[in-house]
Amino acid sequence: SAVISQKPSRDICQRGTSLTIQCQVDSQVTMMFWYRQQPGQSLTLIATANQGSEATYESGFVIDKFPISRPNLTFSTLTVSNMSPEDSSIYLCSVLQAAGANVLTFGAGSRLTVL
Amino acid sequence: AQRVTQPEKLLSVFKGAPVELKCNYSYSGSPELFWYVQYSRQRLQLLLRHISRESIKGFTADLNKGETSFHLKKPFAQEEDSAMYYCALISNAGKSTFGDGTTLTVKP
Repeated sequence: SAVISQKPSRDICQRGTSLTIQCQVDSQVTMMFWYRQQPGQSLTLIATANQGSEATYESGFVIDKFPISRPNLTFSTLTVSNMSPEDSSIYLCSVLQAAGANVLTFGAGSRLTVL
Repeated sequence: AQRVTQPEKLLSVFKGAPVELKCNYSYSGSPELFWYVQYSRQRLQLLLRHISRESIKGFTADLNKGETSFHLKKPFAQEEDSAMYYCALISNAGKSTFGDGTTLTVKP
């Protein structure tokens, strides 16, 4: 299965600033996703990162707040803009591999704390 | 709309006891269902998927389309099974939905 590297693994940020999280995959994948996992809660899909076009956002998430880039089939970034303490969460990158069955593989996550 | 429900947020059993983590789903098409596990300080990883009908670490899960369930079972729980377990559904279009997760604690 694909190996996913995410960075930073964690960061502490000030309110009002922005942070960009990077996701690097060791093989070309068609579908990449960004999730949020808030403390004690499940994973929530933020958006699908589409290569060469704008990301597809889920309800409740907008491009101005969570701009996403996907310049090629192995790399994506998620920016959390104008952060507030409510954005404190773990952000996860994931890829979908259709090897006989669709399987999601996850990065280790980026733990973000906003003060 | 697709939905995954894990009714138990916390589940505690003694070592050697059987364990069942419940998962119910709602989806109009033919779903692909998975169980993911997250051990302490580790990343989320695939445990098993319905399509392969396999047993991983002694766990099995059978898709019951009539009851729209995909419960995870193990006949004899081990302490190392203590973790967070997520049931997930992936649609034909590749969209994923996760349940809220069940924290399993296996006591010695």
